[in-house]
Amino acid sequence: QVQLVQSGAEVKKPGASVKVSCKTSGYSFTGFYMHWIRQAPGQGLEWVGWINPANGGTNYARKFQGRVSVTRDTSINTMYMELNRLKSDDTAVYYCARDGSSWMFDHWGQGTLVTVSS
Amino acid sequence: DIQMTQSPSSLSASVGDRVTITCQASQDISKYLNWYQQKPGKAPKLLIYDASILQKGVPSRFSGSGYGTDFTFTISSLQPEDFATYYCQHYDHLYTFGQGTILDVK
Repeated sequence: QVQLVQSGAEVKKPGASVKVSCKTSGYSFTGFYMHWIRQAPGQGLEWVGWINPANGGTNYARKFQGRVSVTRDTSINTMYMELNRLKSDDTAVYYCARDGSSWMFDHWGQGTLVTVSS
Repeated sequence: DIQMTQSPSSLSASVGDRVTITCQASQDISKYLNWYQQKPGKAPKLLIYDASILQKGVPSRFSGSGYGTDFTFTISSLQPEDFATYYCQHYDHLYTFGQGTILDVK
């Protein structure tokens, strides 16, 4: 079965960087786009960006451009998100999700809480 | 960018009730509208895609309809496990979510 397993919670200081991983299994990793979506405490869902694992192509939401980098390692079926110059309002649960080929998110990771605090 | 307006923002209902949530797009989005359920502390779960197609394994009491700018999500007979937050979502070179609807016990 499809599984997406994310790395553990992180606590960072403002201005620092964080790198979150999402290890996939149960399907062809290079066959589906992968996304990062975040959710601030008590708030709604916000799309961060995607990667095409087949060729490494990426696309990011405008507000994160220049500050986020999504990469992958096809040898271990894992995707990464690095967010730089962290601010307190980056505090959120970050989810990875698989794009089910109709621009929808059909499988999700368990989420990774990133806390930015001085 | 296309804006998605979801309503209501919260809704109180009882087990057995029929519940409807709407999502309106700021311009024509054809059939490209998806619905998710999220329970506290959990990742969202895909329920409906392409406006009306039920994701595998999702109970048939959930349904979706609509095309163009106006979409509806319905639970035909509310079950105890359905109390959650629901989001609509659209793709148009960007992925946009509605603001969410909190469905709680009356």
